[in-house]
This record gives sequence, C-alpha cells and structure tokens, in this order.
Amino acid sequence: GQNIDQPTEMTATEGAIVQINCTYQTSGFNGLFWYQQHAGEAPTFLSYNVLDGLEEKGRFSSFLSRSKGYSYLLLKELQMKDSASYLCAARWGKLQFGAGTQVVVTP
Amino acid sequence: DAGVIQSPRHEVTEMGQEVTLRCKPISGHDYLFWYRQTMMRGLELLIYFNNNVPIDDSGMPEDRFSAKMPNASFSTLKIQPSEPRDSAVYFCASSAGGARYGYTFGSGTRLTVV
Repeated sequence: GQNIDQPTEMTATEGAIVQINCTYQTSGFNGLFWYQQHAGEAPTFLSYNVLDGLEEKGRFSSFLSRSKGYSYLLLKELQMKDSASYLCAARWGKLQFGAGTQVVVTP
Repeated sequence: DAGVIQSPRHEVTEMGQEVTLRCKPISGHDYLFWYRQTMMRGLELLIYFNNNVPIDDSGMPEDRFSAKMPNASFSTLKIQPSEPRDSAVYFCASSAGGARYGYTFGSGTRLTVV
C-alpha cells in the first residue's frame, strides 16, 4: 500500500508554533502537498514540495525529506482561524490524502 | 475566476434513487478529479480525467457509480441505485498539468441517502 501517516489531533495556544509531521511510503513518490480544511468546507492548497528542503510561505512552512519519506508543516504565530484539519497528500501518479490532523488553537 | 463549481450543494434522496452530481472545472484546467470524503475513510479518489478522458477509475466503489466528462467544462458523477452507505461529501477538483499549484476543490456536494 501507499500509507500516509499523520497525527490525529494537536492542540496549541494562540501565538505559538505547531509542527505537523507526515510520513509516507517512498516507492514511486512524486510530490508532497499540504492542504487546510475548515469544518464544512473544501480543502484549500497550502504548499507543494517535490525536492528536499524547506518551502516558506508567510506563517506556514513545509519541509520534505525524500529519502526518509518524511514531511512536516510548520505553523507559526498561531491564530484562532488556523483551527482546522491539515491534510498531508502524497502523489504516486495520483494524489492520495492522509486522514488529516485536527489542529485546535486555544486562547 | 469562479473556481470549481459543483451542484447541488446538498442532496437528500431515498435509497434506490438515482443521484447525479455535477461539476464545472476551472477553465483551462486539463485534469478533473472526483473525491469522496467520510469520517471513517477520509478523502478517497474515485476517478480522474485528463483532457476529458478517464485515466484511472480504480477508486470507484462499484458498478453503481459512473462518471462522465463530455467536454472540458462539465463532468457528472452518477450513483444508480443509491444506498445509505453512499452518504458522504463528494468533491470535484481540477488542476492544470503541473502540480506546482495543487488541485483546486469545489465546495462539495453533501449527499444523504435515507
């Protein structure tokens, strides 16, 4: 199979930093995406990594290590509106999604 | 750009009835995807098209499900006959050939089969 593993839930306080880890099977891998999904809404694209290293986009950064089959999404200066599910998705030809990590931001 | 447009937003139907979900992708996008999302199984890819041609339908649960893309601006997902276990949110997404900007999802159709 082509499993994608990520934690089910994480809680952090407003203004803090949270790191969401994702592991996947490396065979045939061709790109790693992160999506954000608020309850009752569609997933929205956050980032894409295909090469090793860190991609930074404002408060959000995504890291990839192809050899380790590992990625993380880093959310900095957390805001209440960041409370959402964060989906790791890996592409092996077609895009497959992990189960998502529910991030709860508390005051 | 209006984004990916799906209709209806909500559908409630009785078991055994035919259900048709509709999707209009972003103009110029040559890939179209149908996903299903449930609490138990998460987001599952059902089928995807490239230039209106079905490429991979291995995720379609069974023969009750069918999808078509008669032209570049329209696709349908049909369930006939529908069953309660088909209740889920069905998303359509589209993308341009390169993956750099990801897939753009529509707002989804929440299907309830009673």
